[in-house]
Amino acid sequence: GDSVTQMEGPVTLSEEAFLTINCTYTATGYPSLFWYVQYPGEGLQLLLKATKADDKGSNKGFEATYRKETTSFHLEKGSVQVSDSAVYFCALSELGDMRFGAGTRLTVKP
Amino acid sequence: ETGVTQSPTHLIKTRGQQVTLRCSSQSGHNTVSWYQQALGQGPQFIFQYYREEENGRGNFPPRFSGLQFPNYSSELNVNALELDDSALYLCASGSPDGPYKDNSPLHFGNGTRLTVT
Repeated sequence: GDSVTQMEGPVTLSEEAFLTINCTYTATGYPSLFWYVQYPGEGLQLLLKATKADDKGSNKGFEATYRKETTSFHLEKGSVQVSDSAVYFCALSELGDMRFGAGTRLTVKP
Repeated sequence: ETGVTQSPTHLIKTRGQQVTLRCSSQSGHNTVSWYQQALGQGPQFIFQYYREEENGRGNFPPRFSGLQFPNYSSELNVNALELDDSALYLCASGSPDGPYKDNSPLHFGNGTRLTVT
């Protein structure tokens, strides 16, 4: 069945460092891809999405490009801030049910 | 617009008991999904309801059941609780266009933390 594999954490970076969190997927059809973020003590929030190949989702300085040829949707940010510390989940949806990766915990130190 | 609200926020039950968790969907959304998030893991899809009918289910046993009401609020019921049912249970509402608009992001509540002892 459809599934998502994302980079294991935790990831610790200094403020203003470059961030990449890898995500690859397996799907029988053409899923939509998402990144969700979970801040401490809060629920999941949509960070960005892409609905078809070569689409780029972006929000709050984060970007991810839907790469069908490599079945990937890696999350990037050029300069992280302390406030970006959270758990990041890659997810796909093909028929309405969202499949999530295990999550990657990011800690950004001042 | 109102968000997705879940109650209670925390709950402690004993093995073998039954539990009901509640969710009020975001205004205008008629699809609701439930997820189980074990500690340190990603959410796992339990099931989805669209206009009061279940229309998708993950790999969970029948003792996990649900309801969606005409006002699109929802319940998750778990019978014969097991220790492994201890988790954060998340409710999410989706696009008003229905369950097959798979590019519709879900709007999540903050969850109910269930502990089974």
